[in-house]
Amino acid sequence: EAQVTQNPRYLITVTGKKLTVTCSQNMNHEYMSWYRQDPGLGLRQIYYSMNVEVTDKGDVPEGYKVSRKEKRNFPLILESPSPNQTSLYFCASGTNRDGETQYFGPGTRLLVL
Amino acid sequence: QQQVKQSPQSLIVQKGGIPIINCAYENTAFDYFPWYQQFPGKGPALLIAIRPDVSEKKEGRFTISFNKSAKQFSLHIMDSQPGDSATYFCAASAGGYNKLIFGAGTRLAVHP
Repeated sequence: EAQVTQNPRYLITVTGKKLTVTCSQNMNHEYMSWYRQDPGLGLRQIYYSMNVEVTDKGDVPEGYKVSRKEKRNFPLILESPSPNQTSLYFCASGTNRDGETQYFGPGTRLLVL
Repeated sequence: QQQVKQSPQSLIVQKGGIPIINCAYENTAFDYFPWYQQFPGKGPALLIAIRPDVSEKKEGRFTISFNKSAKQFSLHIMDSQPGDSATYFCAASAGGYNKLIFGAGTRLAVHP
């Protein structure tokens, strides 16, 4: 089944404790991206990657890191999480063959205390 | 500063009604306007999309109307069903995946 998977789905952590949210896609997509969803703000792009070893900042990159060492994986790293990073996070992937359609994962709900 | 303004925030209709969700944009460079549907606990999924060379696009019960001069576009759901209850996001792009800007979302409830 073609899909984007994220882990964990739910995470509670404390301020300053480094964490990684994994994202994997099995569709051989070149493009991958991370968004955060907050009430009243819709989805805002954090980082994106056009291919392996090619990443760039989105609209809200502060406090986040990413890497793209393999085509299928695009982990999101919070080196020192803060309460304002409490949010619902989505990973997405896409390919030029589908125009600009993005396929979203199921989401990771993060609470930073 | 939100580049894509979506309204209303929430909407309640009866089964069979025609909910309309509106979006307005400012950036005239936007050339791709998708709508995403999100059910609780799920990620958004592409519903329908339009480019500015057409004024309307229909897929099943879902229709996008696009007004380039007014910089507005809207989603109409014909013969709405309780299963259409979800959050809907409009978005706009000015050239590829990395430029996709989302609206704030509209929570739709279709009552039986």
